[in-house]
Amino acid sequence: DAGVIQSPRHEVTEMGQEVTLRCKPISGHDYLFWYRQTMMRGLELLIYFNNNVPIDDSGMPEDRFSAKMPNASFSTLKIQPSEPRDSAVYFCASSPWTRLYTDTQYFGPGTRLTVL
Amino acid sequence: DQQVKQNSPSLSVQEGRISILNCDYTNSMFDYFLWYKKYPAEGPTFLISISSIKDKNEDGRFTVFLNKSAKHLSLHIVPSQPGDSAVYFCAAKVGAGGGNKLTFGTGTQLKVEL
Repeated sequence: DAGVIQSPRHEVTEMGQEVTLRCKPISGHDYLFWYRQTMMRGLELLIYFNNNVPIDDSGMPEDRFSAKMPNASFSTLKIQPSEPRDSAVYFCASSPWTRLYTDTQYFGPGTRLTVL
Repeated sequence: DQQVKQNSPSLSVQEGRISILNCDYTNSMFDYFLWYKKYPAEGPTFLISISSIKDKNEDGRFTVFLNKSAKHLSLHIVPSQPGDSAVYFCAAKVGAGGGNKLTFGTGTQLKVEL
């Protein structure tokens, strides 16, 4: 398997523009997670889905952020309008459904977003 | 409110010596703890984990210790190698299963010098 795929890898945009980040999870995984990494807060969970349904979006910072998962193989995270403080690395991760403690999340390479 | 804390943003160790990375947590409901390793321009990858019913778990050069009464865990790397230079994230969760969300710390940058 190719692992979790994210695009684009880098995004530079100007304040006020719409930004869309994309993720393809590992095939067969039931859960998809979106994280944001910053120096101050480390890895923060923004939202996660189970079988394409949003389960917990309490980490989404503002209404400017939205996420969708139209099918099992694709998810988007949208920021509109973007602001300089949104600059961070955004990771997508997926994991299988299981009752085992040992199952972990598998991360994509991330999208580095810079908002000027 | 940071429920998982890594108070040392960076650590420098000589090759061959022991690296000790620390992590503290505040939520007593956490019952499973993980360490992830992250290289530049890559996503975090799972390294080692421990259940709250244990106080130690070992995998090769990596050992994780859990002190539940102190709400503290640590990762020991012996011997440290230059390839271990990376950011290490501590994470915790409540309950079994792949779908339970992880709470991460802010990370510790480990540099192993020759």
